[in-house]
Amino acid sequence: GENVEQHPSTLSVQEGDSAVIKCTYSDSASNYFPWYKQELGKRPQLIIDIRSNVGEKKDQRIAVTLNKTAKHFSLHITETQPEDSAVYFCAASKLTGGGNKLTFGTGTQLKVEL
Amino acid sequence: GAVVSQHPSRVICKSGTSVKIECRSLDFQATTMFWYRQFPKQSLMLMATSNEGSKATYEQGVEKDKFLINHASLTLSTLTVTSAHPEDSSFYICSARKDRIGAGTGELFFGEGSRLTVL
Repeated sequence: GENVEQHPSTLSVQEGDSAVIKCTYSDSASNYFPWYKQELGKRPQLIIDIRSNVGEKKDQRIAVTLNKTAKHFSLHITETQPEDSAVYFCAASKLTGGGNKLTFGTGTQLKVEL
Repeated sequence: GAVVSQHPSRVICKSGTSVKIECRSLDFQATTMFWYRQFPKQSLMLMATSNEGSKATYEQGVEKDKFLINHASLTLSTLTVTSAHPEDSSFYICSARKDRIGAGTGELFFGEGSRLTVL
């Protein structure tokens, strides 16, 4: 089955700096890679996703890059703000079959300090 | 929009009792629903895939007789934790896919989660 690794487990940045979280996956058939933000005790919220036919996607301060050959993808948050503090999860799945059975990474606790 | 609601949000029960958690898609029909378990400061682990009108597909290591899943309609899936024990205490989250398999965005919409505490 799919295995997703995520680094770092914790990340502390100063407000205004950039934050980068990296994930690798094992199943070359995976074609959908979402990123979720989860605040304590709350549901995961989709913040951005990318499909395997695209190398990069950007939405305001958030961007995701995908390297299919190396089987890794990264989340980039620029101009970080205190409200960006949360746990971020990457995930991978195959959309063309099996529904959307997500395999999650282990999570990154992002702390944006003033 | 696409809203998924879970109930109850918190439940405390005695060891040996059974607890039912509901997951409802409020404004769309969910072709597939998924159940996850999340222990404190850990990731979401998929427990099972629930398809309307058919038996759930369980992930390896998840006891189907302990975690009963029923997907009675396109808007409701239930997870029943039978004979609960303290080690079953966890945050249980469901998600639902709005569009048909192989079509649409594939985006999953998550419920608010249900925190189960077994005494």
